[in-house]
Amino acid sequence: SQQGEEDPQALSIQEGENATMNCSYKTSINNLQWYRQNSGRGLVHLILIRSNEREKHSGRLRVTLDTSKKSSSLLITASRAADTASYFCATGLGGADGLTFGKGTHLIIQP
Amino acid sequence: SQTIHQWPATLVQPVGSPLSLECTVEGTSNPNLYWYRQAAGRGLQLLFYSVGIGQISSEVPQNLSASRPQDRQFILSSKKLLLSDSGFYLCAWTESGNTIYFGEGSWLTVV
Repeated sequence: SQQGEEDPQALSIQEGENATMNCSYKTSINNLQWYRQNSGRGLVHLILIRSNEREKHSGRLRVTLDTSKKSSSLLITASRAADTASYFCATGLGGADGLTFGKGTHLIIQP
Repeated sequence: SQTIHQWPATLVQPVGSPLSLECTVEGTSNPNLYWYRQAAGRGLQLLFYSVGIGQISSEVPQNLSASRPQDRQFILSSKKLLLSDSGFYLCAWTESGNTIYFGEGSWLTVV
């Protein structure tokens, strides 16, 4: 099954800086999604990018997708302490078996 | 609007005891339902998914089972817990097969 792997595993930056996380996957996909998980909580959907899209924006989030390289990036601009969380990419084919998640990038924003 | 409820939020169970985690979804009909497990510092592993009442698909062989007695109810069970069953269990649902919505999770510690 397709699988996303995030890079780096952990990232610590100063508040106000931009944070970039990358995701690589192995097989063809229908869409790629990014989720956020605060410590000890459920995952929250951030953004979905379809396989025929190259870039998508939502507020301070910018996602890119390069299907030729099987990779995606999530950029969080002007980071805030509240952005501290783990971020997961997930890939799927739109089928009933749902999404396959990577191990996540743990982002720490230093105030 | 749709909501998902999952309980209990935390539990500590002795080895060999039974387990029952429950999940219900409101505000939607015939959703696809999922149980994921997240070990400490790891990604999400899909355990079971269901596309309808009584229809359960298992992704990995394990000590757990799932049931869907009603359209919007999904139950994760075990007859005898193992130490390796400890983890964070997440129930989730989707309508379109794309974006997945998660519950708040259940922390299980087997001692």
